[in-house]
Amino acid sequence: EIVMTQSPATVSVSPGERVTLSCRASQSVSSTLAWYQQKPGQAPRLLMYGASTRATGVPARFNGSGSGTEFTLTISSLQSADSAVYYCQQYNNWPPMTFGGGTKVEIK
Amino acid sequence: EVQLVQSGAEVKKPGESLKISCKASGYRFTDHWIGWVRQMPGKGLEWMGTIYPGDSDTRYSPSFEGQVTVSADKSINTAYLQWRTLKASDSAMYYCARSGGYSSNWYVDWGQGTLVTVSS
Repeated sequence: EIVMTQSPATVSVSPGERVTLSCRASQSVSSTLAWYQQKPGQAPRLLMYGASTRATGVPARFNGSGSGTEFTLTISSLQSADSAVYYCQQYNNWPPMTFGGGTKVEIK
Repeated sequence: EVQLVQSGAEVKKPGESLKISCKASGYRFTDHWIGWVRQMPGKGLEWMGTIYPGDSDTRYSPSFEGQVTVSADKSINTAYLQWRTLKASDSAMYYCARSGGYSSNWYVDWGQGTLVTVSS
């Protein structure tokens, strides 16, 4: 099973600042990585797939990068609406597909 | 518009059985995997298993194999997650989600979730 590790667990950022979230795979997953955003009381929402392709309707301030075992999700100018937990998911080698433990983004 | 509408919240006792549903609309049901994801209170997402309704190919996480059954009825565009014997530790929110396609295994659309509470 591929283990996905996200860091940091929590990050607190002021509006307008840039924030970078990390996701590491225990073995290479090529570019088969997705990012999801989950707000309290809501289902997850797809942000990114193929490591760097934005899903439909996702604002351009969200950018994904990486391949192999190291991935990042960058929010270039944080808005209050971006307060959420962010999860990465690998879909390269499954079953099982695996999610990271999540990074909570808080607004200062 | 793609929609995944899940069945309502359930309160069950340990040892009881349960089947929750996920009704799909707005796309060709047989062409996309439907996955099930568990989220325990205050915790992260856990992938449980998936089914491809086109040929009923079903795959499970080793953590959940034997504990749950994933199925689908393509005549009514509905996927199911079933327990034969519930435990208190099955209390969680359960989401169904639609993949991007047969070989596109990210989850494009999600149901609203079904909250399962197991308590004596």
